[in-house]
Amino acid sequence: GQNIDQPTEMTATEGAIVQINCTYQTSGFNGLFWYQQHAGEAPTFLSYNVLDGLEEKGRFSSFLSRSKGYSYLLLKELQMKDSASYLCAPRFLGGKLIFGQGTELSVKP
Amino acid sequence: EAQVTQNPRYLITVTGKKLTVTCSQNMNHEYMSWYRQDPGLGLRQIYYSMNVEVTDKGDVPEGYKVSRKEKRNFPLILESPSPNQTSLYFCASRRERGEQYFGPGTRLTVT
Repeated sequence: GQNIDQPTEMTATEGAIVQINCTYQTSGFNGLFWYQQHAGEAPTFLSYNVLDGLEEKGRFSSFLSRSKGYSYLLLKELQMKDSASYLCAPRFLGGKLIFGQGTELSVKP
Repeated sequence: EAQVTQNPRYLITVTGKKLTVTCSQNMNHEYMSWYRQDPGLGLRQIYYSMNVEVTDKGDVPEGYKVSRKEKRNFPLILESPSPNQTSLYFCASRRERGEQYFGPGTRLTVT
């Protein structure tokens, strides 16, 4: 089965920049989503990458390298409300979407 | 408003008492899925459906049933719930290549 790796926890300071990495197996890969999930709530869509490179959307950016099986989510100008779990979810041929276990980000004042 | 709804939001039940969690989407999406989320295990797919009358097992299908008689609805059925099915459940829908939209979640406790 697929093995999706992302750090379990990260801590950063308000106003700083943080990068959350995700690696996955490349066989059958067909795009990657990032989701944000606050405790007890539903995941919400942040970004989608299918081609190599950086996609920027306000304070959040996402990068993909298809050949390396690697993606990262970059959060700038961190705010307290960014404290949440961030889920990496690669999609594979046939439409199957698999979620990583998530990275719990704590933003400190 | 485009959304996925699921009911009930909270449910406490006893072992063996059949229950159904409903899920409905108003976006005409082909794909629908059920997930459970447990601490340390992340989101795990239970069942998914690619269209009406087409369903398939996900990663943890044991103890669950689903049906897709209409495009908008995808109920999750627990014929004989057990305590190890205590979890937070999410229904989700999407187009084939689109982002996935999640329902608000159902917190189920089986005693």
